[in-house]
Amino acid sequence: GAVVSQHPSWVICKSGTSVKIECRSLDFQATTMFWYRQFPKQSLMLMATSNEGSKATYEQGVEKDKFLINHASLTLSTLTVTSAHPEDSSFYICSARPTARGFGGYTFGSGTRLTVV
Amino acid sequence: RKEVEQDPGPFNVPEGATVAFNCTYSNSASQSFFWYRQDCRKEPKLLMSVYSSGNEDGRFTAQLNRASQYISLLIRDSKLSDSATYLCVVNESGGSYIPTFGRGTSLIVHP
Repeated sequence: GAVVSQHPSWVICKSGTSVKIECRSLDFQATTMFWYRQFPKQSLMLMATSNEGSKATYEQGVEKDKFLINHASLTLSTLTVTSAHPEDSSFYICSARPTARGFGGYTFGSGTRLTVV
Repeated sequence: RKEVEQDPGPFNVPEGATVAFNCTYSNSASQSFFWYRQDCRKEPKLLMSVYSSGNEDGRFTAQLNRASQYISLLIRDSKLSDSATYLCVVNESGGSYIPTFGRGTSLIVHP
């Protein structure tokens, strides 16, 4: 149980275009989902906390107008990288914790490797 | 948000060795703790939760020391397949359950 599906797994796009990444909880409901970014040989950096039915909470230094987050249902959150630039190339991972679970662990999506050329 | 710190390593050990990692956290009100494993270019996967009384899963033992604010992971009889990055995750209190990740400890098990 507790499966999180993330797609696409990888995407290559041109500078200036927008890319949407989807994160779905397949067998549980998630009021909150998290979006991370990981550069090579670096740790996971939390970008934002996605809250169902309300605005996302962004970490300091993350541009909310550039990284648009929509959490329209209890099973889906999307991250849109707008006007992508080569420096946005990274590994983006979402995670969620079942709402009904107490102190249970987090399940991660398989990640999206974004390359902006 | 307070920090979670880990020695990035790498820890380079031979097969069969016992290796231990520590992770310190600064928020004394932290509620729950986990160890995740991340293979190269893959997403992190839950290895084990860390309970106050300590817990063991096969060759892996996790312990929590609230007084000194650290958790540990002990791997016995290391296998080549244990080579990975081990991430410490701490859940802050307050109901938001926002996980804070350590930067990970790299383990390399060699023949």
